[in-house]
Formats: sequence, structure tokens, C-alpha cells
Amino acid sequence: QQQVKQSPQSLIVQKGGISIINCAYENTAFDYFPWYQQFPGKGPALLIAIRPDVSEKKEGRFTISFNKSAKQFSLHIMDSQPGDSATYFCAANIFVGAGSYQLTFGKGTKLSVIP
Amino acid sequence: EAQVTQNPRYLITVTGKKLTVTCSQNMNHEYMSWYRQDPGLGLRQIYYSMNVEVTDKGDVPEGYKVSRKEKRNFPLILESPSPNQTSLYFCASSLSVTGGNQPQHFGDGTRLSIL
Repeated sequence: QQQVKQSPQSLIVQKGGISIINCAYENTAFDYFPWYQQFPGKGPALLIAIRPDVSEKKEGRFTISFNKSAKQFSLHIMDSQPGDSATYFCAANIFVGAGSYQLTFGKGTKLSVIP
Repeated sequence: EAQVTQNPRYLITVTGKKLTVTCSQNMNHEYMSWYRQDPGLGLRQIYYSMNVEVTDKGDVPEGYKVSRKEKRNFPLILESPSPNQTSLYFCASSLSVTGGNQPQHFGDGTRLSIL
């Protein structure tokens, strides 16, 4: 089973601060690394994603940093807001043959942004 | 509105009583998948389908069945539910299986409690 290790399990950040969530993987065949955001009572929704040939991708206050040699990637949320309070999942995509791909998720980080 | 619809949203049932959770998407997506979400374990894939009449096992398929007779529908069947299948279930779909970097669109989940 492919694995993606995510940390921390939970994170409390003050409003305006920077939230950082880290993920690590072993299999170098992973070729796409999305982050999903999940609010209570809802399904996960794609937040931002990166391919391994890029070291950083920024969309608004959200940035993915990718370190291919270390097999690590992280999500940075700048100027964190209470509305960012959610569970965040990193994921990694891999080709599993017969034209099919499989997405493997980390265990999630519950982020709480306090005023 | 583009969406993935799951029914029921909540279900309490008893061990051994067959149940079906329906999933329907209106985006003409080829790829559909079922996940279960458990505290501390993140999202784990149960089954996936690359297209009509094509299904394959994910990481935790034991005790589940699926079918894909139509492109838009992908029901999850528990023939003889057991308490260890108590969980939050998500159906997801994505545009194409040949492009691994396709975002997955999730339903809002089905919370199953098996007594």
C-alpha cells in the first residue's frame, strides 16, 4: 500500500499567522500532489495541487512547497483566517496500470484558527 | 450545478441487513471512486471504476461490492454489514482516468452506523 505521511495531526494558529502542514512520501512514482480542504459535514474539495517538476506553487494565501530530493511537500497558509478552520488532506497520485490512477491520502490535519 | 449526490446521508442499521448507498454524478465523469473516512486514518479507497462495467479494488475492499452499469451511477453495496463498517463514506468522481492530475469531486458523505 502506498503511503503519504502527514503532520501534525492538529494545529492551532492565531488569526494572521502562518499555518504549515507537512507531508512526506516514499514512492518516487507519485506524479501529482494535491491538497484537499474539508469543512465539517462536507466532502473534501481540491484546494491546490503541484506536479513534481515544480518547486513551489502559490494561489492567493495558499502555497505548496515541494522538495523532490527529500520527498516532502508542505502547505503554507499565509495570514490565516478563522474561515480557514477545516481539515486538510495532502494526497499523492500514482499510475497503477491499465490506464488507471490511484489517489492516496494522508491522515489529515485539523486546523483551528483562533481570533 | 455540477455535483456528486449520495443517498442516504445518514443511516443506522443492524448487522447483516443488506444496504446500498447510491452515488450519482452529473458531470459526465469517467472515473468514480468510494472512500471511507475514519478518525486518525484519513481517507481510504474502497473501490474505483474507470468507466462503465470496469471496476477495481482499492485499499480496503473487504465486505463491499460495487457496480457501474451506467456512467453516472456507482452504488456501494454492503451485503452483510458488520460494526467495523461503521464509518463516513464518500463517493468521488473525476473527468478522466487517463489524466492523473484531474481533481476529484466529492459528495457530502454518508454516515453509516451498524449496530
